Amino acid sequence: DTEVTQTPKHLVMGMTNKKSLKCEQHMGHRAMYWYKQKAKKPPELMFVYSYEKLSINESVPSRFSPECPNSSLLNLHLHALQPEDSALYLCASSPEGQGIDTQYFGPGTRLTVL
Amino acid sequence: AQSVTQLDSQVPVFEEAPVELRCNYSSSVSVYLFWYVQYPNQGLQLLLKYLSGSTLVESINGFEAEFNKSQTSFHLRKPSVHISDTAEYFCAVKAYTGKLIFGQGTTLQVKP
Repeated sequence: DTEVTQTPKHLVMGMTNKKSLKCEQHMGHRAMYWYKQKAKKPPELMFVYSYEKLSINESVPSRFSPECPNSSLLNLHLHALQPEDSALYLCASSPEGQGIDTQYFGPGTRLTVL
Repeated sequence: AQSVTQLDSQVPVFEEAPVELRCNYSSSVSVYLFWYVQYPNQGLQLLLKYLSGSTLVESINGFEAEFNKSQTSFHLRKPSVHISDTAEYFCAVKAYTGKLIFGQGTTLQVKP
């Protein structure tokens, strides 16, 4: 089973709202990732968690706040977003996060900020 | 620094025709290469990967890619495409840091 699940599938929020995106995997992977993807562009890495510790933060604005409650779950907390933050947010996981690891992606959450 | 170049932004092709999506990479270290496919309004799905061993790798739906070290290429091919292959295709290289470096993507448009 190489499934990564993400909820919600779609999210519309105002600039003053607080919302969260959720990602889950049950493959026993120890690395999890958040990506942002704009239309017709490749995914851009935002954060990497390795063994439940934040290992990479690609200089993402503080209005995005990741959380890894356990090895199977990854959240992305959103607050005071801007319209330009509207995008597809993809979660991925991989066995170890290094070496010849393969990343498996979820279906994404389509976020619209009004 | 490692990088990936996908030479064609769009590839239109008729159904049942062969197709090649080109990918070149730059890297001074061992490379691990991937092709991902993204169907409309979906996430990325792993299509195939080269980690080591045989330079020709195949997917379950008829795609294949060949790792060519001398030409630093990892082109994706299919001998006969279907309408359902219409999608965005991303080539990626695994950086020594563990990050995936993506190309800009190629839109494959299969016409009836």
